[in-house]
Amino acid sequence: DTAVSQTPKYLVTQMGNDKSIKCEQNLGHDTMYWYKQDSKKFLKIMFSYNNKELIINETVPNRFSPKSPDKAHLNLHINSLELGDSAVYFCASSRPTGGLTGELFFGEGSRLTVL
Amino acid sequence: SQKIEQNSEALNIQEGKTATLTCNYTNYSPAYLQWYRQDPGRGPVFLLLIRENEKEKRKERLKVTFDTTLKQSLFHITASQPADSATYLCALTGANNLFFGTGTRLTVIP
Repeated sequence: DTAVSQTPKYLVTQMGNDKSIKCEQNLGHDTMYWYKQDSKKFLKIMFSYNNKELIINETVPNRFSPKSPDKAHLNLHINSLELGDSAVYFCASSRPTGGLTGELFFGEGSRLTVL
Repeated sequence: SQKIEQNSEALNIQEGKTATLTCNYTNYSPAYLQWYRQDPGRGPVFLLLIRENEKEKRKERLKVTFDTTLKQSLFHITASQPADSATYLCALTGANNLFFGTGTRLTVIP
């Protein structure tokens, strides 16, 4: 059973299109995240949700909109895709430890290529 | 803002030797520090977590140290094997966030 699963694994699309990436976790965790990993392999937080509420929204363009229908799901919708959005997007979840972020469980990543 | 540096982008070592990876940070005082392993095309996988009041933590062939004065963590893999080849990431905790370093790509040569 995959703990954190995200779909699709690969996504190739044209500039200007709108696309979504879905994420589900079956670990019962309260907190879910979206990270972006660029071509230099640097992992940067985009969003953090705790019990369906947005906690962190780093300096991400408002073309990116996360949606959490329930605690187990956190989807990422991207409008008007740009070339610079090409990256691997990782979903993750964690059960906070004493108010701090504990171990993160990552999905396998969704590689987005914008042409 | 916090800055996390891992000593080298790439590290090659001979099988059987001990690999030592360094993580230095500034402008931050994390309560925890974590290490992850990432294989090509996969998501990062958690390895170890060390708390600020712990000097050292071990798990099988892995050892992590955490020096809050030096603002540094060392990650050791003893008796390294080719299967240990991967990118290793250190991460500092925050509330509802983890800040990742740039990673070190380790290659263990048979």
